[in-house]
Amino acid sequence: DAMVIQNPRYQVTQFGKPVTLSCSQTLNHNVMYWYQQKSSQAPKLLFHYYDKDFNNEADTPDNFQSRRPNTSFCFLDIRSPGLGDAAMYLCATSRSRQVLSNQPQHFGDGTRLSIL
Amino acid sequence: AQKITQTQPGMFVQEKEAVTLDCTYDTSDPSYGLFWYKQPSSGEMIFLIYQGSYDQQNATEGRYSLNFQKARKSANLVISASQLGDSAMYFCAMRGGGETSGSRLTFGEGTQLTVNP
Repeated sequence: DAMVIQNPRYQVTQFGKPVTLSCSQTLNHNVMYWYQQKSSQAPKLLFHYYDKDFNNEADTPDNFQSRRPNTSFCFLDIRSPGLGDAAMYLCATSRSRQVLSNQPQHFGDGTRLSIL
Repeated sequence: AQKITQTQPGMFVQEKEAVTLDCTYDTSDPSYGLFWYKQPSSGEMIFLIYQGSYDQQNATEGRYSLNFQKARKSANLVISASQLGDSAMYFCAMRGGGETSGSRLTFGEGTQLTVNP
């Protein structure tokens, strides 16, 4: 059974029209991450939540926001999508932020976002 | 700053043979974790194997083993007895930067592995 669930699998939106991607987890993990992966590139961390504590990466555009209303759910909001925001968006969870933990980040299947 | 380098954009291997995917890393942190993930064309990231910076022995998980050479800062993935289903993109990643950074994963650019019948 999927433990990190991302909906929808594919999302198409119009240039400039706000869009929300969702992620839910059944692992009860404390940490949730959002990564952006453009075609043929490595995933890049946008931000993460440690419980309710939001942590933004320094180079994440202001256009990207996130909400975590409870432990299970986390949302990625793109306020005014541009053509350059077309990508795969990956949600991941982790039990802790311990660097030496052998517990991996668990990823969802991703949402492919297309911008028309 | 942390950096992962995967110098092989693409690799080909015959079914049932072994293949090594290269990964070198750079960090000033004494504590870090190294991971390999597999990403099929469908997009999901599948965890394969983990090596901690203080681990004395190389990690193994079934057909996957990690050749960890700390002095050379390399963490190569060895896949034995390749199968057609192993065809995918493989990412090396490092977790570090301390807990306040969320122990973020820094990924390499990936290696596209193709297994030929």
